[in-house]
Amino acid sequence: GQQVQQSPASLVLQEGENAELQCNFSSTATQLQWFYQSPGGSLVSLLSNPSGTKHTGRLTSTTVTKERRSSLHISSSQTTDSGTYLCAPYQGGRALIFGTGTTVSVSP
Amino acid sequence: EAAVTQSPRSKVAVTGGKVTLSCHQTNNHDYMYWYRQDTGHGLRLIHYSYVADSTEKGDIPDGYKASRPSQENFSLILELASLSQTAVYFCASSEDIYAEQFFGPGTRLTVL
Repeated sequence: GQQVQQSPASLVLQEGENAELQCNFSSTATQLQWFYQSPGGSLVSLLSNPSGTKHTGRLTSTTVTKERRSSLHISSSQTTDSGTYLCAPYQGGRALIFGTGTTVSVSP
Repeated sequence: EAAVTQSPRSKVAVTGGKVTLSCHQTNNHDYMYWYRQDTGHGLRLIHYSYVADSTEKGDIPDGYKASRPSQENFSLILELASLSQTAVYFCASSEDIYAEQFFGPGTRLTVL
């Protein structure tokens, strides 16, 4: 089945720094979502990006489908960006397969 | 905005007891999902449903049953709760299998 690896496992930033989060998956995915999980546990979908580049606010995702990888770039990080970022590709019509996430900590 | 609610928000259950977790969505979505989250494992799909009165097994269905009595409601049932089922459970809904999923706030279940 689909295996999802996210790196780094954790990241510490100073406010204003940029960050690059990586997601690699083992099988072709026809859809991929990035999620944010707050320190309190709530989950929010950030964007869907099966291929190419997508932007939303300070976030940019680039997915290279043939190479089975996706990245999430956070620009000008803020303390409110602290939390865990989860990558979830779809596997052949089934539901999402989640990676274990990258925990981001942004200090002022 | 999409709304998915879960009840209870937290629960302590005894080993061998029956537990029912409830999920309600007001999004008019066809698809609903139950995931569990454990430290170090991310979220894993337990059951999902794309129509009322029908459920499908996910990746880790053993020890769980699901019920979808209406489009809006989706329940997860642990007939005989076990220690290993201590986790946070999330419900989600989506318009179709490829669409954005909207998550509920989660239920923290502790089995003693």
